[in-house]
Amino acid sequence: GGIITQTPKFLIGQEGQKLTLKCQQNFNHDTMYWYRQDSGKGLRLIYYSITENDLQKGDLSEGYDASREKKSSFSLTVTSAQKNEMAVFLCASSISPLNYAEQFFGPGTRLTVL
Amino acid sequence: GEQVEQLPSILRVQEGSSASINCTYENSASNYFPWYKQEPGENPKLIIDIRSNMERKQTQGLIVLLDKKAKRFSLHITDTQPGDSAMYFCAARGPNSAGNKLTFGIGTRVLVRP
Repeated sequence: GGIITQTPKFLIGQEGQKLTLKCQQNFNHDTMYWYRQDSGKGLRLIYYSITENDLQKGDLSEGYDASREKKSSFSLTVTSAQKNEMAVFLCASSISPLNYAEQFFGPGTRLTVL
Repeated sequence: GEQVEQLPSILRVQEGSSASINCTYENSASNYFPWYKQEPGENPKLIIDIRSNMERKQTQGLIVLLDKKAKRFSLHITDTQPGDSAMYFCAARGPNSAGNKLTFGIGTRVLVRP
């Protein structure tokens, strides 16, 4: 087994602020993902990384940067927080980028922008 | 790419009855369709999946059907229990999707009344 850890659990920011969210996994998985979860909009992919040193844009990458520092960690940066923004950011990982590989999700970071 | 529609957004059922959630997708070459369950305050977890070479799959009170002609797949929860109250997300993997990228539906909130 393994675990995905996301920090911080809660993040409160100011409009225009640059905010960084961190994700660590000890599954030794190759592929990692960042999703944004909004009520009524499901899970939308922001960035993903197929292997260490790889970075791919998802459907919602505008306004975000990401960095795969090493195999076990993947961070996401909100480049300029939007006023009144509220969302949950979920990190996930899968053993490989191949078909049918299950994605395991972390507990999430809840963002509130004042 | 891929687009996934999921209905209904809220489903209220009596304990012991069945619950059905329907999803449609756009790309006829999509080949993998997982379902995730997210309990309140928890991260999404894979509960069942189906590949495009199958029409039906069943496990522990869950049935998934896939109709490739109609580009539709559905989850059926038989004999619902209070523990089945949760958000359910369907997803589809589009063809040539690097990194096992999934497109999720907006989710269905299932409420099981005792």
